Amino acid sequence: QKEVEQNSGPLSVPEGAIASLNCTYSDRVSQSFFWYRQYSGKSPELIMSIYSNGDKEDGRFTAQLNKASQYVSLLIRDSQPSDSATYLCAVNEGAPRNDYKLSFGAGTTVTVRA
Amino acid sequence: GAVVSQHPSRVICKSGTSVKIECRSLDFQATTMFWYRQFPKQSLMLMATSNEGSKATYEQGVEKDKFLINHASLTLSTLTVTSAHPEDSSFYICSASLAGEMETQYFGPGTRLLVL
Repeated sequence: QKEVEQNSGPLSVPEGAIASLNCTYSDRVSQSFFWYRQYSGKSPELIMSIYSNGDKEDGRFTAQLNKASQYVSLLIRDSQPSDSATYLCAVNEGAPRNDYKLSFGAGTTVTVRA
Repeated sequence: GAVVSQHPSRVICKSGTSVKIECRSLDFQATTMFWYRQFPKQSLMLMATSNEGSKATYEQGVEKDKFLINHASLTLSTLTVTSAHPEDSSFYICSASLAGEMETQYFGPGTRLLVL
């Protein structure tokens, strides 16, 4: 599997602030990028996907992709205590040659302080 | 939509026994399903890719004779941990992809296995 790097954190932000999460990947041919949220003891839940350079917004979440820099980020605006979780960055190098496999980062743990 | 279930959610077994975990796509047909294992404080590690009607493709280092995968239908894949040992204790999670949206994986709730 290809390398996906994330800062493990923990990232502590006050309620209402912006949480900024970063992810870099090693495979230049990667085409699809995903952010999953994983609560402690639970399985990952898809929150964002992004395929093109630029920003993609969905509610309080904004994903940013820069393929030239091999960098993808996630911004969480107006952070809430319920956002406290581990956020996993996942990268797909471009199916079907890899059977649509995802490479996951180790995850960034976010804690939102009330 | 895109709901994936797993059964059981939690299982405790004795060393040497076999455990079967089921993964079902409830509201869609999944041509491809994936099996992951996650140890505490670590990220997901892909074990194998399962395609309906064909043999699973295992990742390097995963013993195919120990972790038997069957993908008999477009909505069901099973993982059997044979002759389980304490080191197999982990969180096993499956995911599935929708046809036409193959690059997006939807995860089941996971199965926590404890081998005594």
